[in-house]
Amino acid sequence: LAKTTQPISMDSYEGQEVNITCSHNNIATNDYITWYQQFPSQGPRFIIQGYKTKVTNEVASLFIPADRKSSTLSLPRVSLSDTAVYYCLVGGGSSYKLIFGSGTRLLVRP
Amino acid sequence: DVKVTQSSRYLVKRTGEKVFLECVQDMDHENMFWYRQDPGLGLRLIYFSYDVKMKEKGDIPEGYSVSREKKERFSLILESASTNQTSMYLCASSSGDSPSYGYTFGSGTRLTVV
Repeated sequence: LAKTTQPISMDSYEGQEVNITCSHNNIATNDYITWYQQFPSQGPRFIIQGYKTKVTNEVASLFIPADRKSSTLSLPRVSLSDTAVYYCLVGGGSSYKLIFGSGTRLLVRP
Repeated sequence: DVKVTQSSRYLVKRTGEKVFLECVQDMDHENMFWYRQDPGLGLRLIYFSYDVKMKEKGDIPEGYSVSREKKERFSLILESASTNQTSMYLCASSSGDSPSYGYTFGSGTRLTVV
C-alpha cells in the first residue's frame, strides 16, 4: 500500500486559506486519495476523496496533479473550529484497507 | 444521518479479563474495521471484515480476535486484556467492494486496562 508523507503541523489564522500537501510517490493506478479530519476524542471524519484533477465539495477542495504523486487539500477561509488533525490516505483501489499516516496537526489562531 | 455506534465511550478493565468492544452500523455497509489509536503511533488497523463471518488480520492482530455474525455488528475481543492494550479503539465501516467510498467512524472507546 502506498505510503504518504505530510507535514507534521501547520499554523494559520482565521479567514485564511490553508493548503496541506501530501506526497504519495508509490500510488497505484487504481488507488484513490482520501482526506479525513479528526478532532480530539472523536473518530476521523471523511472530508473529500478524489482520483485525479480537482474535486470540490462544501467543505474543501482537493487538487491532484497529472502524475498523482502528490495531492493538496485546500480549506478556504478557515475558522477556529477547523483546528484538527488532517490525514491523507491512499488506497482503496484493490484493497479493503486504508493506511493512516501520522497526519497534519492544523492550529487555527484568532 | 448514517451512524457507526460503539457501545462504550470509556471502559476500565482489569488485566487478564476478557473484553468485548461492540460496534454497530446502520448503513448496510459490507466492510467493517477496527483500529486502535495511540499518541505518536497514529491509527493502526487491527482486523477488518468484508462480509458476514469473514475476517482478515490487519497490521497488529496479536492479542485480539473479532466476530461478525451479522452484517451490522462487528465485535472486537481482547482475549486476556493487558496494560499495553490501553488505547483508543475506533470502529469504522465502508461500502462496496473497496473502501474507495470512504470510511465512517464511530466516536471511539477509550479502554484502560489496570
